[in-house]
Parts: sequence; C-alpha cells; structure tokens
Amino acid sequence: NAGVMQNPRHLVRRRGQEARLRCSPMKGHSHVYWYRQLPEEGLKFMVYLQKENIIDESGMPKERFSAEFPKEGPSILRIQQVVRGDSAAYFCASSPLGGDEQFFGPGTRLTVL
Amino acid sequence: QKEVEQNSGPLSVPEGAIASLNCTYSDRGSQSFFWYRQYSGKSPELIMSIYSNGDKEDGRFTAQLNKASQYVSLLIRDSQPSDSATYLCAVNGDLYNNNDMRFGAGTRLTVKP
Repeated sequence: NAGVMQNPRHLVRRRGQEARLRCSPMKGHSHVYWYRQLPEEGLKFMVYLQKENIIDESGMPKERFSAEFPKEGPSILRIQQVVRGDSAAYFCASSPLGGDEQFFGPGTRLTVL
Repeated sequence: QKEVEQNSGPLSVPEGAIASLNCTYSDRGSQSFFWYRQYSGKSPELIMSIYSNGDKEDGRFTAQLNKASQYVSLLIRDSQPSDSATYLCAVNGDLYNNNDMRFGAGTRLTVKP
C-alpha cells in the first residue's frame, strides 16, 4: 500500500537552471497539494490540483513557478531559472475525493548553488 | 487573514510526563483540525484529526477541541524520547474546500530521558 511518492529526494541545481519535482499521490487519491518549507519555518501552501485542473494556485509565486497534474502520470512542480532563495524542502500531499485529511510524501530537498 | 498560532517552544518535558501542545485559530468557521508530527529532516506525519468539540483519544494521544474558544490542543501521555519532534497544528476552514488548510509554524517538543 504505497504512500505518496516524490522524486527526486534531493536535487541540486545551479542558478538559472530548471528544477522539476514529481509527485505521485496515494492510490485512490485525486487531490494533490504542494507546499514549501524553508529551514526552521512552517509549511507554506503553494498550489492545489486535481487531475488536469489547477484548483487554487494562490500560494504560487507569479513568475518562474508552474504546476500540473496530467490525466496520466505524476504531478509536476516546475521551477524555471532557479535562484538561491528557491532552496527549500518541497512537500507534496494528497487526499481522497470527499476527504480532507492530507498525507505527505517524503519531500524533495532542492539546493540551488 | 486566517491564522493558526502555536507556541514555537521549545517545550521540554521529562520522560513519562504529559506533554501539552496548544493551538489557536482565527477563523471561527473552521471545520476540521489536525495534528501532524514532523521529525527533523522528515515530512509531516498525520497523527490525529478532530472535527467535533470535546476529546478524541488514540493511544497515548488525546486531541481536544473547543470551537467556542477557537482552541485545539494535543496531549501526549507517558512521553517518550521518541516523541521529540515538531508538532504542527493544521486547520481546514471548509469541509468542501480542501484548499483552505492552514498550518501553524509548529511547536518543538523535547522529551528528556
């Protein structure tokens, strides 16, 4: 019974490169959420998606960040032209249709050199 | 602005004692409440959810909710060193709107042997 899966677990990028973070929700879950956590800080909501739909992206920076959850395959959080301030842990969570308990994946630790 | 407030700690208790973690929230219409445990360098793990006023017990954990006071707490009985972690309070404002989840910054708990 696999939980939420994220890959890669660690990602190192140089300034200006692109970062792609992937998330596969728990089996049977149709909602995906992305959060960012800076060291010693709380979780900050970024975006909420269902299959082929962005429901709420109010927490996403207006530039360089995008997210998708295609009909087939994992959800992708894409960060273009990364800067040092993007270094953080990015967590994906999923919840089932009709439920509001969110279950988290192991996270991707992004380091921008 | 919907807020979830927690004492950042650190909260230190001796092994075997009761640890009491507190959380207040600003949105009176909030419907569902969660406690997550996050070990250093790991992802948040859901440990309790509570929806109605009163107490909910699960093993050594008891969640307490008082909607009139906009207050939710987590008690950990017979605290163990393995309980040492950051505890995140999360509040969802709308049972039908999954993207309204707000997290507190967390309380760091240390259980001393």
